[in-house]
Amino acid sequence: GAVVSQHPSRVICKSGTSVKIECRSLDFQATTMFWYRQFPKKSLMLMATSNEGSKATYEQGVEKDKFLINHASLTLSTLTVTSAHPEDSSFYICSARVLGSAEAFFGQGTRLTVV
Amino acid sequence: KNEVEQSPQNLTAQEGEFITINCSYSVGISALHWLQQHPGGGIVSLFMLSSGKKKHGRLIATINIQEKHSSLHITASHPRDSAVYICAVRFGNKLVFGAGTILRVKS
Repeated sequence: GAVVSQHPSRVICKSGTSVKIECRSLDFQATTMFWYRQFPKKSLMLMATSNEGSKATYEQGVEKDKFLINHASLTLSTLTVTSAHPEDSSFYICSARVLGSAEAFFGQGTRLTVV
Repeated sequence: KNEVEQSPQNLTAQEGEFITINCSYSVGISALHWLQQHPGGGIVSLFMLSSGKKKHGRLIATINIQEKHSSLHITASHPRDSAVYICAVRFGNKLVFGAGTILRVKS
């Protein structure tokens, strides 16, 4: 199946700094990418939908100025957590779709710890 | 409200047992996914269904559109099957996830 690579897999950062997470589709062009957040023992929560070449669509309650999403090419979307706080510590995971397909391919996830 | 309910929440099985995980949803969908999440967090897509039944190795997934219900079966379970199994349904462009079933297979 198609491969989605997410990097880094783990990151520890200090409060107030920014962290960038990359999501790449390795062998297909992803017109749409999705960013999710998962709290311990909870289900995935959609944060935003990222479409190549246009602004991301954020879910209700997700601060777009805090979670910056860029989808500059058909193979790369980035999520930047700005001015990170300890409550931003979580597991972030991306998924990608090919235009016209309902199939979803997931990245490996990034565990962010803000200290 | 689009809801996805999974059962059981936790399941412990002995190696070799036949396992069933259930998923029910509340409104019409375009597709249903079964996903596997290992302790490290990465998610693997096992199946995508819009009707009928699919089989891959020891895994079988079925869906009944009229009853809004899907099941994931694991035959001859093995400790390496231990993971969280998540049902996700597609409503339009979005996936809505169930809470997951934590499966532990003991040897």
